[in-house]
Amino acid sequence: DGGITQSPKYLFRKEGQNVTLSCEQNLNHDAMYWYRQDPGQGLRLIYYSQIVNDFQKGDIAEGYSVSREKKESFPLTVTSAQKNPTAFYLCASSIVEGFSQPQHFGDGTRLSIL
Amino acid sequence: GQNIDQPTEMTATEGAIVQINCTYQTSGFNGLFWYQQHAGEAPTFLSYNVLDGLEEKGRFSSFLSRSKGYSYLLLKELQMKDSASYLCAVMDSNYQLIWGAGTKLIIKP
Repeated sequence: DGGITQSPKYLFRKEGQNVTLSCEQNLNHDAMYWYRQDPGQGLRLIYYSQIVNDFQKGDIAEGYSVSREKKESFPLTVTSAQKNPTAFYLCASSIVEGFSQPQHFGDGTRLSIL
Repeated sequence: GQNIDQPTEMTATEGAIVQINCTYQTSGFNGLFWYQQHAGEAPTFLSYNVLDGLEEKGRFSSFLSRSKGYSYLLLKELQMKDSASYLCAVMDSNYQLIWGAGTKLIIKP
C-alpha cells in the first residue's frame, strides 16, 4: 500500500538537543512538506520541497532544518534553537507543488520537551 | 494578512445534518480544500472546490462562493465516526495552503 510513514510516533527532547523526525513516502510524489500543528491553531508550514536537493522555507522555519537527498525522504531536524518545540508535526506530500492537488499526510510525530 | 475563519466547535445529533462554515481572506485563490482529522491522526482529504457551486460526494458536500469568500461543508446522515475536526484550507496565489484552525464536531447519540 502506498503512503507516508512518519517516525517515531512520540519523541522527547532534552534541553540543548537536536532531534530528527523521519518522513518517507512511496507515492512517487515530487513535493513534500513539513507542518507544525498546535492546539487551537491551523497547520503552519515549516519547510517544503518540490524536487530532490531543493527546499524552501515556510512561515516558521527558524529553529528547524531539512534535507531532500532522495525523492522518498524528507527528514526534519528540530534544533536547540527552536525554543518551543512541543507540538504535533505532520509530513505531507503531493503530486506537484503549485498545482491544486490534495496533500496526503503521515500519521504525525508528537514532540515534547523533557 | 491572510485569514481563514471556522467555528471552533459544533455539536450535532446522530442521523442529522450539519453545516460547517469557512470564510477566507487570502492573497489570491487557487482552490479550497476540506480535510477530516480524527484526534491524534493524519488529516485526510475530503473535497476540493475551485469553481462556485456545490460538489457532492456521498454523505459529504462542499459549497464555494468565491465572491463572498465563503465555503461550507455539509455532512448528512451523521454517524458517530464523523466525530472529528474538519479543516478548511485555501491555496493562495503562491500555491501555498493557508489553513484554518479547524472545527471540532461532536456527534451525540
